[in-house]
Amino acid sequence: VQLLESGGGLVQPGGSLRLSCVASGFTLNNYAMSWVRQAPGKGLELVSTISGSGGSSTYYADSVTGRFTISRDSSKNTLYLQMSSLRVEDTAIYYCAKRPRGALRYNWFDPWGQGALVTVSS
Amino acid sequence: EIVLTQSPGTLSLSPGERAALSCRASQSISSNYLAWYQQKPGQAPRLLIYGASNRATGIPDRFSGSASGTDFTLTISRLEPEDFAVYYCQQYDTSPDTFGQGTKLEIK
Repeated sequence: VQLLESGGGLVQPGGSLRLSCVASGFTLNNYAMSWVRQAPGKGLELVSTISGSGGSSTYYADSVTGRFTISRDSSKNTLYLQMSSLRVEDTAIYYCAKRPRGALRYNWFDPWGQGALVTVSS
Repeated sequence: EIVLTQSPGTLSLSPGERAALSCRASQSISSNYLAWYQQKPGQAPRLLIYGASNRATGIPDRFSGSASGTDFTLTISRLEPEDFAVYYCQQYDTSPDTFGQGTKLEIK
């Protein structure tokens, strides 16, 4: 089981960016998947989760609601995070993480991808 | 939201010693829905413990977790050089999932 993120980079405030997370070794659609971020030198924050097992329930942190959208492409076994109206405070490493079941809640994170750095700065 | 407070912020110990890391929840966590992660510099977090006391696959048995009410403890029985890292607890009982601020375990 592996997760590989891409799509990070430098973007100006107000800009947009799409992160991708390619999954291998398992069928992405069967499991809940999350994005967790870590600001430089800081702790961990759950950003968003999408349910699995064929469902499409989602969760967003209050700080990103209305600006970020989580989705997946089953044919590519890939998870996405579309980020818009980016703010300086969104600067962080963004990790995708698999959850052990399809349910949106009551799950831990395992494994994690290596992370994608998003820097929002003018 | 459940606040998790980890202590100490930094723990300085020597290889071979025993480490006890604390995670206190601001309210009760049902079914011990608490996990522990290890993060080394430049790496992603790695799951160590889930359900408060269940070791994840491939985790050495020197790592153990326990719970007492709203207090959770990660114990490393005998520190190896590769164990020096930052450790985070996470609760997944009440939405939103939240993490503690981390405990840095450093070599004395």
